Formats: sequence, structure tokens, C-alpha cells
Amino acid sequence: GAVVSQHPSWVICKSGTSVKIECRSLDFQATTMFWYRQFPKQSLMLMATSNEGSKATYEQGVEKDKFLINHASLTLSTLTVTSAHPEDSSFYICSARVPQGFQPQHFGDGTRLSIL
Amino acid sequence: GQNIDQPTEMTATEGAIVQINCTYQTSGFNGLFWYQQHAGEAPTFLSYNVLDGLEEKGRFSSFLSRSKGYSYLLLKELQMKDSASYLCAGVNQAGTALIFGKGTTLSVSS
Repeated sequence: GAVVSQHPSWVICKSGTSVKIECRSLDFQATTMFWYRQFPKQSLMLMATSNEGSKATYEQGVEKDKFLINHASLTLSTLTVTSAHPEDSSFYICSARVPQGFQPQHFGDGTRLSIL
Repeated sequence: GQNIDQPTEMTATEGAIVQINCTYQTSGFNGLFWYQQHAGEAPTFLSYNVLDGLEEKGRFSSFLSRSKGYSYLLLKELQMKDSASYLCAGVNQAGTALIFGKGTTLSVSS
């Protein structure tokens, strides 16, 4: 079945560091990928829709200059958390869907980001 | 906009049947999804309804009533490994991304 790979799984870094997270569709091409954030004991909150070859669409309240999204190929989207601070510590998860026919969203394994 | 409600927590015993309800209010409807999420892991797809009625997949079934804005996930023959969070999700107005409810944490005891 369709597989979405996300890297890295864990990041621990100092405040002020920028962190890049990669999301890859391994056996299908994804013109659209999605980035979610999940705080402890809360549900997944959609941050942005990543569109191949064009600008990402951000949800209300998500700073586009803080969370940079690049979708340069049909199999790779990246999320960069710029100048991360402790309040950015969270579980970041990407998803993608096989574009042909009905297919559910498939999720990467997530990235746990801890900012010290 | 989207508003998805489900109970916060439920408990059940091994071998039992449990029904997790979800009500939704959306400005457009493009299907209702159920995902399972174990602590610290990504969600995995369980079931999907776009038409009214029951969809059965082994021990898991999902039901939808569009007129009532209501869905439920039915888990049969519960096992300890079914202890997880169950997320009800609708599709956003653009018809692309999933919008999740807060999730129902199910605890299965022996």
C-alpha cells in the first residue's frame, strides 16, 4: 500500500535553531501534502496544505514566515520551523493521498520536536 | 466551517463491543473518516463513509447518517491492543485536507 516517510523522527535542539522536516511519498506521486501539529493529549490540527510547484496554503493562525513549506517535487515536501522556541515543541505529522480514485490520507510516522 | 464532536474518553472490557459516536456540522460534506492513533504514533486509517449506511471491515464498522450529521465507529470483540485514540475526521471545504475531531481515548481492560 501507499507509504509516506517522514524524517527525522526526533529532534532536540536549542532555542533559535531552525529545523527542517521532510515528508516523502515513497510509491506514489503526491501533488498535495498536508502538515499537521499535535500537542499532548490533543487532536491533530491542520497547519497547511503543501502544493507541488506553488505556494502552500496556510490555515488561519499559522505564521507562514515561521513555518516555511517547500514542495519542489511530486514526492517531497519539507517543513522548516524557523528560529524555533520552546512553544514550538510539538508532534509534527505530514500526510498525503494517492491522487487517483478514492484513497484515504496516509500519514508519516511524525516528528517529535523538542526545543530547549 | 467544520465542527466535529466526539466523547473524550470511553472504557470497555476485552471481548465486548463498543460504539464511538461522532457528530459533525460542516459547510460542505465530502466524506467522514475514522482513524486510530496509538500514543506517540501517527494515525492509521480505519474506515470511510460517504453514503448513508454501514461499512464493515472485519472487527471494525462505521455508520453514517448525513441527514443527522452523525457517524459512529463500532468495534467488536475488543482486544487490549485496541486501547488507543479514535479520531473522527471530515474533509475541509476545499475538499482536500482532513479536519479532525478531538479524538476519543478508548481504554480496554481485561
